[in-house]
Amino acid sequence: SQKIEQNSEALNIQEGKTATLTCNYTNYSPAYLQWYRQDPGRGPVFLLLIRENEKEKRKERLKVTFDTTLKQSLFHITASQPADSATYLCALILTGGGNKLTFGTGTQLKVEL
Amino acid sequence: SQTIHQWPATLVQPVGSPLSLECTVEGTSNPNLYWYRQAAGRGLQLLFYSVGIGQISSEVPQNLSASRPQDRQFILSSKKLLLSDSGFYLCACRGANEQYFGPGTRLTVT
Repeated sequence: SQKIEQNSEALNIQEGKTATLTCNYTNYSPAYLQWYRQDPGRGPVFLLLIRENEKEKRKERLKVTFDTTLKQSLFHITASQPADSATYLCALILTGGGNKLTFGTGTQLKVEL
Repeated sequence: SQTIHQWPATLVQPVGSPLSLECTVEGTSNPNLYWYRQAAGRGLQLLFYSVGIGQISSEVPQNLSASRPQDRQFILSSKKLLLSDSGFYLCACRGANEQYFGPGTRLTVT
């Protein structure tokens, strides 16, 4: 069966450290993989998109890697801040999928002082 | 850029009552629109999507329905709510490849 897995346990890190979140998928052939941020009681906000032929993408303190052989994406936040505390969702767009997104369950990140 | 409005923000409804949630979009025309549900502690589940007026695709069989009476209006309905319909309902609009989400409606069925 098709699955997108993200760490269900919350990730607690210290301010200034790098947070690394994992997204693994099985039985999908995604054209794109996206990362979203969701704060409690609010809709997700788009952060980054990476295509199947790209290995890495950066935006300010954010970095995403995409390994289609391992079927895994890593999401890094460098120099993390308490304001980065949120739930981070990965989502796949399938080839020919009509831009429909399939989401993982998300990983909650808490950055502590 | 697109702005998505949803109402109501919160709703408490008894089992068996009807439902109507509305989503409107500004800043774009002929958008792809989506309804998602997020149950407590779970990921977003795509319920319906629409590529144009009157065009609705259902992703999950259930007692919900969707309609798109105008280009930038998307409505989620039910004739009789179930307890399992409780959740956080999100409307989204397609960008280039990403999606923009509205603020959501928190529905509690009692």
